[in-house]
Amino acid sequence: DTEVTQTPKHLVMGMTNKKSLKCEQHMGHRAMYWYKQKAKKPPELMFVYSYEKLSINESVPSRFSPECPNSSLLNLHLHALQPEDSALYLCASSQVTGGEQYFGPGTRLTVT
Amino acid sequence: QKEVEQDPGPLSVPEGAIVSLNCTYSNSAFQYFMWYRQYSRKGPELLMYTYSSGNKEDGRFTAQVDKSSKYISLFIRDSQPSDSATYLCAMNDMDSNYQLIWGAGTKLIIKP
Repeated sequence: DTEVTQTPKHLVMGMTNKKSLKCEQHMGHRAMYWYKQKAKKPPELMFVYSYEKLSINESVPSRFSPECPNSSLLNLHLHALQPEDSALYLCASSQVTGGEQYFGPGTRLTVT
Repeated sequence: QKEVEQDPGPLSVPEGAIVSLNCTYSNSAFQYFMWYRQYSRKGPELLMYTYSSGNKEDGRFTAQVDKSSKYISLFIRDSQPSDSATYLCAMNDMDSNYQLIWGAGTKLIIKP
């Protein structure tokens, strides 16, 4: 089973709201990732967790806050977002960092 | 010059044709190569991955890597309308920088 699940599928939030995106995998992978993808562009890496520790933060604004409660779960907490943050947010996992990555279906976020 | 070059297309071919999708890269340290398929508004799906030069086959898909030319290809045989999607190549060097470097993605259209 190579499934990564993400909730919610769609999210509309105002610029003053606080919301969270959730990701789960049960493949025993030890690396998990958050990406942002704009239309007609490849995914852009935001965060990497390796063995539940944040190992890469690609200079992402502090209004995005990741959390890895355990090896199967990954959250992305959102606060005071801007309309330009509207995008498809993707979670991925791999057995180890650098290995082939398996993506979830994404959360389509709209900031109004 | 981008590290990975991929023609964004669109590439339109008739059903049943053999499709060739390609990426070139500049970093000779890249050693791990992946192809993803992405349907509109969905997450990328891992199709093929390979470490070495040569060919790797999986059903109707063949991935080819030529490290001497810094050129990778994905061939799709007996193409179907359901293969219509955007195809992204991705690669990394595993050792010093395990972040995936992405091509721009090629939009493929299979005409019935």
